[in-house]
Amino acid sequence: QVQLQESGPGLVKPSETLSLTCTVSGDSIRDYYWSWIRQPPGKRLEWIGYISYSGSINYNPSLTSRVTISVDTSKNQFSLKLRSVTAADTAVYYCARDWGTIDFWGPGTLVTVSS
Amino acid sequence: EIVMTQSPATLSVSPGERATLSCRASQSVSSNLAWYQQKPGQAPRLLIFGASTRATGIPARFSGSGSGTEFTLTINSLQSEDFAVYYCQQFNNWRTFGQGTKVEIK
Repeated sequence: QVQLQESGPGLVKPSETLSLTCTVSGDSIRDYYWSWIRQPPGKRLEWIGYISYSGSINYNPSLTSRVTISVDTSKNQFSLKLRSVTAADTAVYYCARDWGTIDFWGPGTLVTVSS
Repeated sequence: EIVMTQSPATLSVSPGERATLSCRASQSVSSNLAWYQQKPGQAPRLLIFGASTRATGIPARFSGSGSGTEFTLTINSLQSEDFAVYYCQQFNNWRTFGQGTKVEIK
């Protein structure tokens, strides 16, 4: 059974960089694409971007100027960096396995942007 | 960006009845559509992929249909555990989600 777990700070100051890591177990990160998705409080899900182990990357066009997703195959992890955050970036952030359909999700981690 | 629009926003249904949820894409997504169920405080759970194929372990009372721009999720004989928010998602061009339909107890 594939399991994913997000980790990182739950509080980030405005204008700083949000950094999260997703650890994958039960599957090799060499297979599939791996996505970050977020959900602001009370709002719809928003796909941030995905990466493959080979480095193939695609980002949501609305976030591409601020986002970097990277992969560490030796640790079976992938990571998210979102720069210059504002209160609008406050959300539950999910990592997930992605083959177009997103079939396994982490439990999510709430990141609040506040001074 | 392909915009996904779900209707209704809220659906009030009695246990044992049928719920019919709609999802419309702003342009064709072929059959590249999935449905998810989300309960409070939980991650979404995959129900349907390829517009009509149930994911592993999903009860047969859940069914999906449609292609192109119009899709439907039907839940027959609603059980107590089915009251939740349901999202559609397209992956024909990047990934975008609908705004959700909340299925509540009538």
